[in-house]
Amino acid sequence: EPEVTQTPSHQVTQMGQEVILHCVPISNHLYFYWYRQILGQKVEFLVSFYNNEISEKSEIFDDQFSVERPDGSNFTLKIRSTKLEDSAMYFCASRTGRSEKLFFGSGTQLSVL
Amino acid sequence: QKEVEQNSGPLSVPEGAIASLNCTYSDRGSQSFFWYRQYSGKSPELIMSIYSNGDKEDGRFTAQLNKASQYVSLLIRDSQPSDSATYLCAVKLEAGTALIFGKGTTLSVSS
Repeated sequence: EPEVTQTPSHQVTQMGQEVILHCVPISNHLYFYWYRQILGQKVEFLVSFYNNEISEKSEIFDDQFSVERPDGSNFTLKIRSTKLEDSAMYFCASRTGRSEKLFFGSGTQLSVL
Repeated sequence: QKEVEQNSGPLSVPEGAIASLNCTYSDRGSQSFFWYRQYSGKSPELIMSIYSNGDKEDGRFTAQLNKASQYVSLLIRDSQPSDSATYLCAVKLEAGTALIFGKGTTLSVSS
């Protein structure tokens, strides 16, 4: 069964460093998303991406964040200058153009020290 | 701010019992509703979707929707210890394509 693939599974970085989280959405999916979940809290929407551009973003997704689809398969989330409060599990998700069901990757646990 | 509210629990039921999980939402224009299951340290896994008022059954799971009351529920029949997880209610707002999640209800099924 096709699945959303995320790498790395764990990322440790120093405060102020840049990190890039990688995702390969399901191949025939058209909408791509990043969510995050701080330990013990809810899954929070960050950004959605469709037709090679951001279609919506939350107030969390400030200028420190960016997304890119550098080729036909990868979808990345960049955090330019990480803060302690960026420590969270980051989930990539995707869906087809016809169904609103979101399918999630296994996540990248980001720890900012 | 559009919200999805769930009782965080924990909800404890014995094996074989019915577990009832509830969710309310604030966006009256929402039309699409989802239940996800999340095991500790894992990603959300889609269990059910519901779009129309009434009940929708899939195996041991039944989703119920009442748009007038802005209320969604999930019933799990014949609960098993493997059902022990956090259940997330997700709503697609009238505007946009993103799903907004509740904080989740933790279910514990004892054998």
